[in-house]
Amino acid sequence: LAKTTQPISMDSYEGQEVNITCSHNNIATNDYITWYQQFPSQGPRFIIQGYKTKVTNEVASLFIPADRKSSTLSLPRVSLSDTAVYYCLVGERGSARQLTFGSGTQLTVLP
Amino acid sequence: EAGVVQSPRYKIIEKKQPVAFWCNPISGHNTLYWYRQNLGQGPELLIRYENEEAVDDSQLPKDRFSAERLKGVDSTLKIQPAELGDSAVYLCASSGDRTRFEQFFGPGTRLTVL
Repeated sequence: LAKTTQPISMDSYEGQEVNITCSHNNIATNDYITWYQQFPSQGPRFIIQGYKTKVTNEVASLFIPADRKSSTLSLPRVSLSDTAVYYCLVGERGSARQLTFGSGTQLTVLP
Repeated sequence: EAGVVQSPRYKIIEKKQPVAFWCNPISGHNTLYWYRQNLGQGPELLIRYENEEAVDDSQLPKDRFSAERLKGVDSTLKIQPAELGDSAVYLCASSGDRTRFEQFFGPGTRLTVL
């Protein structure tokens, strides 16, 4: 399974755009990049998934360069409620292999 | 649509006692997962079920942990006897055939072993 590296923590202010970068140098051809969000006392929640270039949904955007060795989760205009841990995962979509969570990035949004 | 249901939400026991956690996945989801999450870390997979079959239990400490998923719906995870190091949050998740890349997690059970 491709290993991921992401910052341990980040701080931001309300209304700013936040970019969290994840490094996955050993990503395989069939691997997708998936991000989950976890609030305290809750289970993780799927945010977005992508394979290459850019993916956007109502919550976030995911930017993946051509070499796919890294990816950036972009949260537009964050609010206090976006304070959470964000996990970057790499694996085959629909594969029988399990998702492997790292330690994630603790995002703290300040007023 | 109801989400993944877990009970109890909190459990405090003394070491060497048994404990059981229950999970009801989203209706129609045939894949069920049990994770353990230690403080400050991401979830770690313990076991994965496809219907009633355990297809990946390589991370399950089999000397004291057991799990079952009778009839391929609800599941129970048991620890007997519990040790101090078992204190953690136990998460259950499920996924359907068409959205296997997306797992839906329950709120978890926070276990404290004294």
